[in-house]
Amino acid sequence: DTGVSQNPRHKITKRGQNVTFRCDPISEHNRLYWYRQTLGQGPEFLTYFQNEAQLEKSRLLSDRFSAERPKGSFSTLEIQRTEQGDSAMYLCASSTRDTSTDTQYFGPGTRLTVL
Amino acid sequence: EDQVTQSPEALRLQEGESSSLNCSYTVSGLRGLFWYRQDPGKGPEFLFTLYSAGEEKEKERLKATLTKKESFLHITAPKPEDSATYLCAVIGSGNTGKLIFGQGTTLQVKP
Repeated sequence: DTGVSQNPRHKITKRGQNVTFRCDPISEHNRLYWYRQTLGQGPEFLTYFQNEAQLEKSRLLSDRFSAERPKGSFSTLEIQRTEQGDSAMYLCASSTRDTSTDTQYFGPGTRLTVL
Repeated sequence: EDQVTQSPEALRLQEGESSSLNCSYTVSGLRGLFWYRQDPGKGPEFLFTLYSAGEEKEKERLKATLTKKESFLHITAPKPEDSATYLCAVIGSGNTGKLIFGQGTTLQVKP
């Protein structure tokens, strides 16, 4: 069990550019979550997958954001036409089984800076 | 709407000085309350899950308790390595499993 991994760890981009982040969950976990965290705040939910199905999206997830989880394994989060307000830490978490209260384990996060 | 409030926002302790962090929650049917520790620039690290009022969990110098309205994280004789931000989160009924977090309590333990 190598834990949840995320790449890249840091991304600096110019406003208007597109960025993509990758999350590899713990291998046997079928649930995958994306959260966003700004400085001094707790993480905020963005979206959630069970296997390859995207089952919930937050109102925070504008149409510039898209997430995929092909084949129910790794997931990608893409932000199109980035804005300075998108600067944040993007966290991925995974959990096992189908019970919604199962513990979520987080990755190290991707720190995005939009100039 | 499910909501979590943590207090204090920041706490400074001397090494060995015990204290408690508070997590107040409003949720339509609590299904689980979670405590995480987060070091600067890193992802949250899982500490405890509590499911029902009266439940307690312990790990080294940390003890988490739960009532119907709040949870406490008690830190006994803290050490400088306990310095971190402690996050509380809940999952409510009818929820797909997304965590609703508080803003965290940043703990600094001085030697």
